[in-house]
Amino acid sequence: AQTVTQSQPEMSVQEAETVTLSCTYDTSENNYYLFWYKQPPSRQMILVIRQEAYKQQNATENRFSVNFQKAAKSFSLKISDSQLGDTAMYFCASSGDNDMRFGAGTRLTVKP
Amino acid sequence: NAGVTQTPKFRILKIGQSMTLQCAQDMNHNYMYWYRQDPGMGLKLIYYSVGAGITDKGEVPNGYNVSRSTTEDFPLRLELAAPSQTSVYFCASCTTGGSFYEQYFGPGTRLTVT
Repeated sequence: AQTVTQSQPEMSVQEAETVTLSCTYDTSENNYYLFWYKQPPSRQMILVIRQEAYKQQNATENRFSVNFQKAAKSFSLKISDSQLGDTAMYFCASSGDNDMRFGAGTRLTVKP
Repeated sequence: NAGVTQTPKFRILKIGQSMTLQCAQDMNHNYMYWYRQDPGMGLKLIYYSVGAGITDKGEVPNGYNVSRSTTEDFPLRLELAAPSQTSVYFCASCTTGGSFYEQYFGPGTRLTVT
C-alpha cells in the first residue's frame, strides 16, 4: 500500500517570491510515479508536474520544479515567482500498480 | 473532446435513498476511477476499472457499487445513503494505470446526505 503525507496544511507567500511545499511518501512498489496536482476554487484537478521515480533528474515545468529525494522518500514542489493565480490547494500523489494515492493537501495563498 | 463529464453537479439525498452518479469520457481511456474528497482532505479511491467489464475496489469501497459495461461510461451507485457519504465525488480517466500518464478529472459532484 502507498501513503502520502503533506505536513503543511496551509502556507502563504508574497507575490513574486518563492515557496516550497513538502511531501513525503511510502510505497512498496518498485516502479512508481509522483505527481503534484493543483485544485483551485473551481474544484478542477489540474496536473502541475510529474516525476518518474527511476529518473534521478528533478522534473521542471516553467516556474514549477521538484526536489525528488528517493532514499528519503521526499518529493517537494518549488514554485518560483509566485503569482496570484497560484492560489489553490496543492495535492501530492503517488501512482502505483493500478491506483493513485493522494496527500491531504496544502492550501497555498499568494498575497499581493 | 468534452473530456470527463459528470452528472449531476449537485445533489441532496435523504438518509436511506439511493442514487447513481454518472461519469463519461470520450478519450477512449481504458482506466477509470472514482474518488471522494471529504472537506479539507485529499482524494480517496473508491473503485477503479481497467477496462469494460472489469472493476476493482479501491481504498474506501463500502457503501458503493460500480459497473463498466462500455469503455466510455463508469457509473457509481450509492445504495442506502448515509451522512458519512456527504462528500465531493470525482471521476477520472487515464490511458493506462500505474503509469506516468496523468489522470484526467471531471468537475466533481457535490453530494449532501441529510
